[in-house]
Formats: sequence, structure tokens, C-alpha cells
Amino acid sequence: DQQVKQNSPSLSVQEGRISILNCDYTNSMFDYFLWYKKYPAEGPTFLISISSIKDKNEDGRFTVFLNKSAKHLSLHIVPSQPGDSAVYFCAASLAPNFGNEKLTFGTGTRLTIIP
Amino acid sequence: GAGVSQSPSNKVTEKGKDVELRCDPISGHTALYWYRQSLGQGLEFLIYFQGNSAPDKSGLPSDRFSAERTGGSVSTLTIQRTQQEDSAVYLCASSLDARGYEKLFFGSGTQLSVL
Repeated sequence: DQQVKQNSPSLSVQEGRISILNCDYTNSMFDYFLWYKKYPAEGPTFLISISSIKDKNEDGRFTVFLNKSAKHLSLHIVPSQPGDSAVYFCAASLAPNFGNEKLTFGTGTRLTIIP
Repeated sequence: GAGVSQSPSNKVTEKGKDVELRCDPISGHTALYWYRQSLGQGLEFLIYFQGNSAPDKSGLPSDRFSAERTGGSVSTLTIQRTQQEDSAVYLCASSLDARGYEKLFFGSGTQLSVL
């Protein structure tokens, strides 16, 4: 039972344009959402997060949007750069008494930025 | 280095053999996690440690899998009588604490191939 779903295994975007990566979840008890980025032969690295009390969080070129009613979140990267080419994982954590120990990850989306 | 270190980076073994995977977390991180990523799958939670205790072992796929952590530092994941379905990338991560939403810092993983 995949509680966190990333339905697009891959995405290609022109350099300078906006990249939008999507994530859907099924468990309404999820309270905190994160995006991790992974380069080949490296471990995932934390990118950005959002609490369920917010609907948007921005950090430089990266913005995460949360739509709780739709159980959907998205990561926007603008402008996209070649170094953004990586696999992006969406992750979710349960509320209210759990944290990292209950992170559930999606299957990842491979983003390719075309120069 | 200052990051999470995993060894070996690659392991090829024959079906039925035992393997040990090692993780050195970031110094001072009390929480340590093991995940695995099988081909085409998301990151699957296996077990986490808070200090030397493992409050949640629910992700271990079978009793062939075990893990320990000593001195609040190094952890070893042991797989006995390996099977071909155990082939995956095994990722270790650490964080300051398991509770809350401290960032997870991942190692580069061990690619396990069971022939």
C-alpha cells in the first residue's frame, strides 16, 4: 500500500523554465511533508519541508505547495538549472507524536534539465 | 569526513550467505535509520535507533534481518541466508533526534547484489 505516490517517474524541463514535481498521499494523518533530492551514487539530501498548518513554503528557487483537501503537494523549481537534474523524493510524517521515525517516502521522480 | 559513512559501498554475495552492512553516523546524532531502495521502488523504512535502542523494528522484512547499534554510534545491519529479493541499495541516515523533524542526513548507501 503506497501511501505516498509520485505518479511521474520522470520529467524533462528546459533550462530556465519552471519544474513542477507532484506528490499525492492517502493518509490524512500525515502532518509534515518533505522533499529530498538524490544524485547518482549519493544518498538523498534534504531540500525543503512544509508543515500541514501552512500551504506554502519558499526557499530561494524552491517552493513547496500543500493542498490538504486534495492530499496533494508539489515542488516548484524556478528557474530550473542543469544542477537540478536529480531524483526527487517526496516524504511524509505522521502527526502529532511522530517525527522522522515514521517518514514514508514516495518512489521518486527523475528530473532532467535540458540545457 | 563529517558525513554519514557506509561500508562496503558495493557487496556481491551468493544466495544463502550472510552479509553485514555498516553505518557510521554523524558524531552527536542520537537517531539512526536504515532504509532500502529496491529497483523501481521508493525508500522503504527498515528500522530506527534512538541511542542504542530500537523502538521500531516493524520495517524489517523477515527474521533474517537484524540490526544493532553500539555506543550510540556505529550500527550494523545483518542479513542472514540472503535471498535474491534482498538485492537493493541499503541506505543509512542519522539525525540529531528521532522526535520532531530534524533533517535526515543520508550516507551513499550499500548496493547489495545477491546472485
